[in-house]
Amino acid sequence: GENVEQHPSTLSVQEGDSAVIKCTYSDSASNYFPWYKQELGKGPQLIIDIRSNVGEKKDQRIAVTLNKTAKHFSLHITETQPEDSAVYFCASISNFGNEKLTFGTGTRLTIIP
Amino acid sequence: EAQVTQNPRYLITVTGKKLTVTCSQNMNHEYMSWYRQDPGLGLRQIYYSMNVEVTDKGDVPEGYKVSRKEKRNFPLILESPSPNQTSLYFCASSSRVASYNEQFFGPGTRLTVL
Repeated sequence: GENVEQHPSTLSVQEGDSAVIKCTYSDSASNYFPWYKQELGKGPQLIIDIRSNVGEKKDQRIAVTLNKTAKHFSLHITETQPEDSAVYFCASISNFGNEKLTFGTGTRLTIIP
Repeated sequence: EAQVTQNPRYLITVTGKKLTVTCSQNMNHEYMSWYRQDPGLGLRQIYYSMNVEVTDKGDVPEGYKVSRKEKRNFPLILESPSPNQTSLYFCASSSRVASYNEQFFGPGTRLTVL
């Protein structure tokens, strides 16, 4: 089955700096890669996603890049703010139709004021 | 308000005492799923349901049961809980009108089995 590895497990950055979280996946048939943000005491929430026919996608301060050849994708957060502090999960879907998300192990991002 | 609700939010129980965690969504979603979240392991799928009366195993189904008798509800049943089922549980739902839609997660249920 699909395996998603995520690094780093913890990340601390100064407010205003950029943060990058990286994931690799194993199934070359995977074709959808969402990123979820989990704030303390809440369920994960989708913040951005990318499909396999696109190399990069941006939404304000957040961007995701995908390299299908290398089977890795990354989340980039620029101009970080205190409210960006959370746990971030990458995920993939490898089998069309069953909607099964395979998650990475998560990255705890802390923004230092 | 569109949402996924779970009850209870917190539960402490003892080994072997049957329990049910309820999940309900008000978005008319076909797809529903249960995940457990453990430190260092991320979220792992327990069971999922593509529609009413259709359920299937995820990655870690042992010790769990589910049912989908109504579209909005997807309860998770632990017939004989054990300490290794102590975890944070999330229910999620999504529409299957289009592929790869956003999954909406509930607030979570923190279960402790003594």
